[in-house]
Amino acid sequence: GIQVEQSPPDLILQEGANSTLRCNFSDSVNNLQWFHQNPWGQLINLFYIPSGTKQNGRLSATTVATERYSLLYISSSQTTDSGVYFCAVSTGANSKLTFGKGITLSVRP
Amino acid sequence: ETGVTQTPRHLVMGMTNKKSLKCEQHLGHNAMYWYKQSAKKPLELMFVYNFKEQTENNSVPSRFSPECPNSSHLFLHLHTLQPEDSALYLCASSRRLDGVMGYTFGSGTRLTVV
Repeated sequence: GIQVEQSPPDLILQEGANSTLRCNFSDSVNNLQWFHQNPWGQLINLFYIPSGTKQNGRLSATTVATERYSLLYISSSQTTDSGVYFCAVSTGANSKLTFGKGITLSVRP
Repeated sequence: ETGVTQTPRHLVMGMTNKKSLKCEQHLGHNAMYWYKQSAKKPLELMFVYNFKEQTENNSVPSRFSPECPNSSHLFLHLHTLQPEDSALYLCASSRRLDGVMGYTFGSGTRLTVV
């Protein structure tokens, strides 16, 4: 099946700093999403981005489908950005949404 | 709220108990999913339903029994669970089975088996 690798596994930032989270995947995808899991476990959809670039406030994401990677940018980070960021993909061949292991972000005041 | 509602949020049950988890969505989605998230492990897909028909069972033990009476509701019936089944159980839905337009997740049920 498709492999999803996220890096770095852990990230510590000072409030106000910028960061880039990376997701590499091993096959063509028809769906790629970035999720933020808050401390209570809820997975919040940040972006549906199988290709191209999107922005939502301080967050933006870019997927280069031909090179099989996606980047999530966080600018002017805040303590509420802390949590685990997951990249998840599906290939369309079946319904399985495959998750990466996640990136644990800690933003310190 | 994401549009996918799970109840209860927390559940503690003994190994001999029978309990059920509930998930409902009013997003007009046709596919629904159960995922399991254990500590230090990636999310694992358990079951997939499309138009209330099960399309995938990812080698889940029979002590987990799903039910999908309609496209808006999904249940996970639990019986004779083991302590290692303690985890966060997440429900998700999507408009289509191929996931185009993305998946929406509920808040999860944190299950503890004692």
